[in-house]
Amino acid sequence: NAGVTQTPKFQVLKTGQSMTLQCAQDMNHEYMSWYRQDPGMGLRLIHYSVGAGITDQGEVPNGYNVSRSTTEDFPLRLLSAAPSQTSVYFCASSPSGRSTGELFFGEGSRLTVL
Amino acid sequence: KQEVTQIPAALSVPEGENLVLNCSFTDSAIYNLQWFRQDPGKGLTSLLLIQSSQREQTSGRLNASLDKSSGRSTLYIAASQPGDSATYLCAVLASGTYKYIFGTGTRLKVLA
Repeated sequence: NAGVTQTPKFQVLKTGQSMTLQCAQDMNHEYMSWYRQDPGMGLRLIHYSVGAGITDQGEVPNGYNVSRSTTEDFPLRLLSAAPSQTSVYFCASSPSGRSTGELFFGEGSRLTVL
Repeated sequence: KQEVTQIPAALSVPEGENLVLNCSFTDSAIYNLQWFRQDPGKGLTSLLLIQSSQREQTSGRLNASLDKSSGRSTLYIAASQPGDSATYLCAVLASGTYKYIFGTGTRLKVLA
């Protein structure tokens, strides 16, 4: 029962470097999403997807790219890391994205940009 | 723009107390509202999901209510235990969108 799996759990980057945070789910969920969690600001939606080949922006998409080539995977790419992107990143999935299902979260990826 | 507020930000209670956590949202046009629990350094775990047509949901010692007209939800925890210590977050899914909007959470500490 893997659920939602995120890798890596911890990462340190230098300003300007790029990297990809991986997210995989084994529940055949249509909806997947990425959030960042910062102290005092709660979770903010970065990007989401309602199915393979379909992605859209959330509240704070700048500096991040996503793609959804399969139902299972939804990677988040940081194009040129900045200190403002230091945060904890969470991936979440849901059966259909609208009223029918609860959100399932991964354990998070803690990113530090120096 | 939908905004979600949780008050208080932190709460400390003695073991055994019944307690209520509050969640307010500004736009009543929602698909559902969910309550989550987050332990330090961990991801979020869904506790209760209330569809827009429902008034409440119950799971064990937890009961969540939803009043869309007033833009409020409450999470009631009966007979609190030290193991209930965590941060509790609510999130609403706004109608016509696929975007969940989260509150900033209430950090609960139950003292033994």
